[in-house]
Amino acid sequence: AQSVTQPDIHITVSEGASLELRCNYSYGATPYLFWYVQSPGQGLQLLLKYFSGDTLVQGIKGFEAEFKRSQSSFNLRKPSVHWSDAAEYFCAVGDPRGGKLIFGQGTELSVKP
Amino acid sequence: DTGVSQNPRHKITKRGQNVTFRCDPISEHNRLYWYRQTLGQGPEFLTYFQNEAQLEKSRLLSDRFSAERPKGSFSTLEIQRTEQGDSAMYLCAMPGTRNTGELFFGEGSRLTVL
Repeated sequence: AQSVTQPDIHITVSEGASLELRCNYSYGATPYLFWYVQSPGQGLQLLLKYFSGDTLVQGIKGFEAEFKRSQSSFNLRKPSVHWSDAAEYFCAVGDPRGGKLIFGQGTELSVKP
Repeated sequence: DTGVSQNPRHKITKRGQNVTFRCDPISEHNRLYWYRQTLGQGPEFLTYFQNEAQLEKSRLLSDRFSAERPKGSFSTLEIQRTEQGDSAMYLCAMPGTRNTGELFFGEGSRLTVL
């Protein structure tokens, strides 16, 4: 069965520092992989996705993620965090044949001035 | 991108009452999904439709829950005899136009059961 693990429930970084949020997945083949962001009181917004090709994918707001098949990981990175990046981040896995997405429990990001 | 509109945005009800949420896609797609999100958790899959057909239901969807998509466009999610544990955000989602697997979510309907 598909599953997603986000090991860090809460991370705090200083503004301007780099960020890496971890995501590990369980899936029998190569899945589609996604990162979503949810700000307080807001809906889920798609940051980026991997579905084929280059394993380093670029997203909106300066985020990137790298698919590592050998580690079953899809970690999200940003070189310099802004205060407005404070939000909840969700990793998700999907079946390339279509159907539902399975989400991790999320990582809450706080940004210190 | 594909968007959805959800109504009502907030619903407060007493335990035992029935509630219905509606999802209206802004653009057409043959698939439509319902998720539930509780505080501090990621969205949990409930069910999805391809056109009018309900193709998959999660074990989270007890007998008190029913979803329909009568004309293959809008969808409703009804909860009968609500319980306090039903308090959550109910999210509707649709695929993007590029068939690369992503879902685009509405802003959700928040249910509070007193």
